[in-house]
Amino acid sequence: DIQMSQSPSSLSASAGDRVTITCRASQSISNYLNWYQQKPGKAPKVLIYDASSLQSGVSSRFSGSGSGTDFTLTISTLQPEDFATYYCQQSYSTPYTFGQGTKLEIK
Amino acid sequence: QLQLQESGPGLVKPSETLSLTCTVSGGSISAGGYYWAWIRQSPGKGLEWIGNIYHGGSTYYNPSLKSRLTISVDTSNNHFSLNLTSVTAADAAVYYCARLDLHSSSWYFDSWGQGTLVSVSS
Repeated sequence: DIQMSQSPSSLSASAGDRVTITCRASQSISNYLNWYQQKPGKAPKVLIYDASSLQSGVSSRFSGSGSGTDFTLTISTLQPEDFATYYCQQSYSTPYTFGQGTKLEIK
Repeated sequence: QLQLQESGPGLVKPSETLSLTCTVSGGSISAGGYYWAWIRQSPGKGLEWIGNIYHGGSTYYNPSLKSRLTISVDTSNNHFSLNLTSVTAADAAVYYCARLDLHSSSWYFDSWGQGTLVSVSS
C-alpha cells in the first residue's frame, strides 16, 4: 500500500494568514493526488484534484502543487470558514489511501 | 444536484454482518465515468477506502477487507450496497458512500453521503 504522510498534524493560524500543508507519498504517485476539507460532523469535500486542479465551486484561495512524492496545499488568505481538517488522498493505485489529516485551528 | 444517502442499522453485534445501502438521487448510478464507493472513518484508522463498484458490476476491494466484503449495485433502484461479514469492534466507524469521478487523471471522490455511524457491540 502507498502510505500518505501529512505535516503538520495540527496547525494554529489566524484569519488572513497564509498556510501551507504538506503531504508526502511513500512512493512516486505522479500527480494522482487529491485534497479534501472536512468540517466536524460533515463528509469530506474535494478541493483539489490532479495535485493542482481546483474543483469547480471551490475558492481560488486554495491551491495545490507538487508531483512525484511531495505535495502542498496552500490557503492564501485564511477565512473563518477555512478552519477544518484537511486530508490528502492518492489515487495512483488501489487501495486508495488518505493522509492522517491536518487540523487547522484558530490561533 | 446529486445526493447520496446511506441507510442501515447503527448497531451490529460482533461476528454478524454489517449491511448498508446507499441511495443515489439527482443522477443515475448508470452514468458513465463514475465508480460508486464506500469509505469509512474511525478515530483509530482515519479515512479508509473500502471499495468501489461500477454500474456494470465490476468491483475493486481493499485487500484488508476483501475476504469479508461484498459490494453490489442495483441499477433499477439506483442504489448500491455494502455487506461486511464477521464484524469486530475494529469495524466500528462512520461509513460514507461516495461517487468516484473518473474524468481526470487523478480519480477523486466528488460527492459524498452524510455518513452513518455504525457501532459494534453485543
